[in-house]
Amino acid sequence: QITLKESGPTLVKPTQTLTLTCTFSGFSLSTSGVGVGWIRQPPGKALECLALIYWDDDKRYSPSLKSRLTITKDTSKNQVVLTMTNMDPVDTATYYCAHSSYSGSFRNFDYWGQGTLVTVSS
Amino acid sequence: DIQMTQSPSSLSASVGDRVTITCRASQSISGYLNWYQQKAGKAPKLLIYAASRLQSGVPSRFSGSGSGTDFTLTISSLQPEDFATYYCQQSYSAFLTFGGGTKVEIK
Repeated sequence: QITLKESGPTLVKPTQTLTLTCTFSGFSLSTSGVGVGWIRQPPGKALECLALIYWDDDKRYSPSLKSRLTITKDTSKNQVVLTMTNMDPVDTATYYCAHSSYSGSFRNFDYWGQGTLVTVSS
Repeated sequence: DIQMTQSPSSLSASVGDRVTITCRASQSISGYLNWYQQKAGKAPKLLIYAASRLQSGVPSRFSGSGSGTDFTLTISSLQPEDFATYYCQQSYSAFLTFGGGTKVEIK
C-alpha cells in the first residue's frame, strides 16, 4: 500500500525559506520509472506542479519558479524534500506530494498525500 | 513548457445529465493526457490516463477521448458524488503540467 505524507511549517514569514518533507511508504524511489512530485494549490485556485524528482535523480522544475526551488531525495529514509526560497504571501497554498509512475508508457500521479496548508504572513 | 487550457471553467448540471469537459494543449501531446477529480478539501484522484484508459476502480460512466491537442472528458450520467473539480494534465514532457480546472456544480 502506497502512502505519502507532507510535513513542514504551517506558517512562514515573507522572505523566509520553506522546507517541506514528503515521507512515503510502499515504494522505493530507487525503482526504475518511479518519481515523486510536489504540487501546490492556492485557496480556490488550480493545481500547479512545482517540481519532480525521478528514480535516477533527474529533476524537473516549474520554469516560472525554477530559481527558487530545490528538490532532493533521501532513498534510505524514503523522503523527498522541497525547498522554496524567498517566500511571499502569494505562495500561500496547500502543498501536496504525489507518487508518479508509468502505466504502460504513460506517466501520471496515482497516489497523493493529504496536503499541508502553508500560510505566508508576517 | 506545454500549456493546458480547459473549458468551460465551470458548469452547472443536474443528476443524470451528460457532461463534457474539454482540454486543449499548446502543442501536440499525442495521447499523453490524464484526468483528475478533486473534491473540496481533498487531494486529487486519478480518473483517466493515456487520454482514454480508466484507472482501476473508476466507474465506467467516466470516459476520455482525444489525441494531439484536443481532448474531452465525458460523464455519461452525472451522479451526486461527481460534483467536483476536474483537471487535465499532460505527461508528454518530463514535467507534468495541469489545466486550470473545471468545476462541476449542481443545477
